[in-house]
Amino acid sequence: GNSVTQMEGPVTLSEEAFLTINCTYTATGYPSLFWYVQYPGEGLQLLLKATKADDKGSNKGFEATYRKETTSFHLEKGSVQVSDSAVYFCALSDLEGAGGTSYGKLTFGQGTILTVHP
Amino acid sequence: GAVVSQHPSRVICKSGTSVKIECRSLDFQATTMFWYRQFPKQSLMLMATSNEGSKATYEQGVEKDKFLINHASLTLSTLTVTSAHPEDSSFYICSAKTGTGAYEQYFGPGTRLTVT
Repeated sequence: GNSVTQMEGPVTLSEEAFLTINCTYTATGYPSLFWYVQYPGEGLQLLLKATKADDKGSNKGFEATYRKETTSFHLEKGSVQVSDSAVYFCALSDLEGAGGTSYGKLTFGQGTILTVHP
Repeated sequence: GAVVSQHPSRVICKSGTSVKIECRSLDFQATTMFWYRQFPKQSLMLMATSNEGSKATYEQGVEKDKFLINHASLTLSTLTVTSAHPEDSSFYICSAKTGTGAYEQYFGPGTRLTVT
């Protein structure tokens, strides 16, 4: 079955520090990969996505590259801000799995809590 | 665009009663909706997938008679927790997507259920 593994948190950084949150996956088909962010008290929001190997998703200064050879989709940001403090979830969707009947179910990693201090 | 709402945002009920949670797509038609459960400081666990006009597909280990899902229209899905017990207390989140070929799911803000 499909699975997603994220680096354990919590991660605590100072403002303007470099951020990496590791994510690796296993999938039976050809998944699309996502990073979702959940700010305190809010629902999940899509941060970025990549739908095929070597694609780079980017948004709000965050980026992640779909690496099929290492089955990874690590999230990076060059300079974090206090407002980036949130929980980050790596996820995959395998539309092609199970004969196309997966309906695009998302499999989530365990989430990584990021706290950025001024 | 692509806003999903949930109602109520927070509910407290007594053990043994039933609670209904609504999930609505406000500005698009959702052919597929998903219901998740999120425990404190943990990831989202998919409970079931519902397609408009058909029965929900439940994930292994989820009791379909306890968690009743009705996807009555292209903009509304409901989750009813029947005979709730304290262990059902959790954060329930729905999401919606526009079609089987669409990748992106849009998430609701979640409903905090507390069973006393």
